[in-house]
Amino acid sequence: EVQLVESGGGLIQPGGSLRLSCAASGFTFSSYSMNWVRQAPGKGLEWVSYISTGSGTTIYYADSVKGRFTISRDNAKNSLYLQMNSLRAEDTAVYYCARVKAAADGTCFDYWGQGTLVTVSS
Amino acid sequence: QSVLTQPPSVSAAPGQKVTVSCSGSSSNIGNNYVSWYQQLPGTAPKLLIYDNNKRPSGIPDRFSGSKSGTSATLGITGLQTGDEADYYCGTWDGSLSAVVFGGGTKLTVL
Repeated sequence: EVQLVESGGGLIQPGGSLRLSCAASGFTFSSYSMNWVRQAPGKGLEWVSYISTGSGTTIYYADSVKGRFTISRDNAKNSLYLQMNSLRAEDTAVYYCARVKAAADGTCFDYWGQGTLVTVSS
Repeated sequence: QSVLTQPPSVSAAPGQKVTVSCSGSSSNIGNNYVSWYQQLPGTAPKLLIYDNNKRPSGIPDRFSGSKSGTSATLGITGLQTGDEADYYCGTWDGSLSAVVFGGGTKLTVL
């Protein structure tokens, strides 16, 4: 059974840093591209970042987080990470890790974690 | 302001059919595949439709998807109260080099 479990969320002051983790199981983690998607309270989905399979040589970021957030993966630990620096109030959201569906022509997400809440407030 | 435009809400009676529209541009829907997600209250999104009109294993054929030009549509037939949820469209945007989502549509089954 595919499982994605996020952790690392919490309350952080503006300007602070936080590192989110996503533990993957039930599939060959290194063979799948992964993403972070966030959802502010009461708002819609916002894609955050993408990392490709294997060593993750291809990475994309949303303009809203570019230069502040860094996505990475450790295939030996079956884990995905999001290092978040210079946090702002508008980064407050539930952060989901999501797997890119294989054997699809388009980019879509077939498995999602349960999410971890990040609250940026003084 | 989302890159893809969806109606904020739709509603219909149990057993009826409803459609949800998703409008974009040539940089996203016009040249890429569309997916649809269902988000029940308090839960993570779930993939409903991918590659414009394909259903993942386990998704009933009451759910369908289509695309024409720079717009896509999600159709749900035989509405059930359990279908009450937020629905999102998503695709790749080549100009932004980013995944983009619609703002979401809340479905109410009256």
